[in-house]
Amino acid sequence: AQRVTQPEKLLSVFKGAPVELKCNYSYSGSPELFWYVQYSRQRLQLLLRHISRESIKGFTADLNKGETSFHLKKPFAQEEDSAMYYCALTRGAGNTGKLIFGQGTTLQVKP
Amino acid sequence: EPEVTQTPSHQVTQMGQEVILRCVPISNHLYFYWYRQILGQKVEFLVSFYNNEISEKSEIFDDQFSVERPDGSNFTLKIRSTKLEDSAMYFCASSADIKGELFFGEGSRLTVL
Repeated sequence: AQRVTQPEKLLSVFKGAPVELKCNYSYSGSPELFWYVQYSRQRLQLLLRHISRESIKGFTADLNKGETSFHLKKPFAQEEDSAMYYCALTRGAGNTGKLIFGQGTTLQVKP
Repeated sequence: EPEVTQTPSHQVTQMGQEVILRCVPISNHLYFYWYRQILGQKVEFLVSFYNNEISEKSEIFDDQFSVERPDGSNFTLKIRSTKLEDSAMYFCASSADIKGELFFGEGSRLTVL
């Protein structure tokens, strides 16, 4: 079964502290992994995807196939990073574009 | 910047009533989706739509649900006879290609009384 697990509902850090939002997945094939973000009163939007290997707004995520993880990291959190973060996957083969989301983690960055 | 737009933003209905949620995807996109999020739960896939037909649907998307692209711009989700458990935020999304980024609307909150 395809599943995405985000073990933390809430992660609270101080500004300037490192951040790691955890994501583990269960999928037998070769999925594509994404992080979507929803800022307060805004729509869900793509933050980054593993195949592009980019750093967006200082965030990075590395796909670890051995540990089936795709943790989101940022070395120094900013207050504007406060948002809801969703890890998601799509199938590799036979992809219809369907995203499977994790439960989401609320990141709260305190001043 | 083009956006996916959804109407209504909030609808309150009585159990058993039909509801139509409307979406205008980004104009050059070819793939369309509906997701829903029950309060406090994860965002769940309902259905994907391409080339005027459903390409995949979830177990949630039973006979009470249908989708349509009636005029080449709108993409609608119809719930024939709403139940209390249909109360949720419904998100429409579109993408330009099958591996592309999904662009989401702001959502339509459905409250079934």
